Amino acid sequence: EAGVTQFPSHSVIEKGQTVTLRCDPISGHDNLYWYRRVMGKEIKFLLHFVKESKQDESGMPNNRFLAERTGGTYSTLKVQPAELEDSGVYFCASSHREENTGELFFGEGSRLTVL
Amino acid sequence: LAKTTQPISMDSYEGQEVNITCSHNNIATNDYITWYQQFPSQGPRFIIQGYKTKVTNEVASLFIPADRKSSTLSLPRVSLSDTAVYYCLVGDWVGNKLTFGGGTRVLVKP
Repeated sequence: EAGVTQFPSHSVIEKGQTVTLRCDPISGHDNLYWYRRVMGKEIKFLLHFVKESKQDESGMPNNRFLAERTGGTYSTLKVQPAELEDSGVYFCASSHREENTGELFFGEGSRLTVL
Repeated sequence: LAKTTQPISMDSYEGQEVNITCSHNNIATNDYITWYQQFPSQGPRFIIQGYKTKVTNEVASLFIPADRKSSTLSLPRVSLSDTAVYYCLVGDWVGNKLTFGGGTRVLVKP
């Protein structure tokens, strides 16, 4: 069974540009999460989808970040316009619908470098 | 959410047992204790979870005393490939919202 996959693995863009990160969760997992670690800080929660609905987006830093999950399958996280402080690693994770067990399956992350 | 405190780093040698203790003095009644492992350039990976006493799986053991104010992750006979950051998390997992601290960087030497 395929795990959580993220694309791209690394993106380098200039300040002011736009980047879109993609996450494909494990098949059948209704819960999808975005986390990130920026510049030596701790891994922080960004938001949580249940199918196509945003369940909790309390961790989204500002309106330059837009997450979507059309159709309840893969998700995208767009940063527009990107700022220097957005540099970091963005992790996607998924879990089964009915399980609030604290066990999430993480992807390998997308490293974003904003110059 | 209960705050956790764990050592920043630990060194060990192949074949030794590694014990990482995490303090969580204000753990709530409904909170579980969960440990994640993260290798370089990878996402965190769930390794073990417990509520009280002892839990063991194929990867590790988790010891939780009666007062639940701390927990110890035990990695038996570590190998070089166990070099990673280990995170202790505490929560009731409503919405599966995880709060990661700084973790413990374990370096296994030959």
